[in-house]
Amino acid sequence: DSGVTQTPKHLITATGQRVTLRCSPRSGDLSVYWYQQSLDQGLQFLIQYYNGEERAKGNILERFSAQQFPDLHSELNLSSLELGDSALYFCASSARAGRTDTQYFGPGTRLTVL
Amino acid sequence: GNSVTQMEGPVTLSEEAFLTINCTYTATGYPSLFWYVQYPGEGLQLLLKATKADDKGSNKGFEATYRKETTSFHLEKGSVQVSDSAVYFCALGGEYSSASKIIFGSGTRLSIRP
Repeated sequence: DSGVTQTPKHLITATGQRVTLRCSPRSGDLSVYWYQQSLDQGLQFLIQYYNGEERAKGNILERFSAQQFPDLHSELNLSSLELGDSALYFCASSARAGRTDTQYFGPGTRLTVL
Repeated sequence: GNSVTQMEGPVTLSEEAFLTINCTYTATGYPSLFWYVQYPGEGLQLLLKATKADDKGSNKGFEATYRKETTSFHLEKGSVQVSDSAVYFCALGGEYSSASKIIFGSGTRLSIRP
């Protein structure tokens, strides 16, 4: 158990819908990262937040957005969903945002878009 | 841009065999290097890491040495067990102090026969 929790574990929805994925980092960790794992794209970094502020952005679509709240939990919002958005979404956390910090991953949320 | 290339799977070995999974990287600066493991139905777990050239990361009998001259971080284990069956990801990250997104390789699926 990494100490990172993600809810829900599974999500099934239809095209065009909007969903919110939630992540609680390990106690004391200030950085939260979101990754997408799909069969065709592999594991891709989406976005990082550090202590409530956006720190780095990866291959995140404009239809997707995220935020980190004062209690440090984070939410990833996915809107106008398409079939290709079906994937496993991982959240990770680290103590800070330094180059040697270890990222601890949550169990993931499996999103299925029908 | 930065990238990670790891050997294609799947890799199938007999129990107690020697394991090598090759990983090479392309990066500017001084990245940290990681191996993550994903067991069936689970999230990613950090297996080992190295933060500078010539560092050796080790954990659970696995080892990898950060070789700057060959830009490699090959994963090795002297005697694999059935419980090592999983997908292994080589990853690069922490290149800059202010942004520590991780770039993952495509993953290598390892199956160990009893």
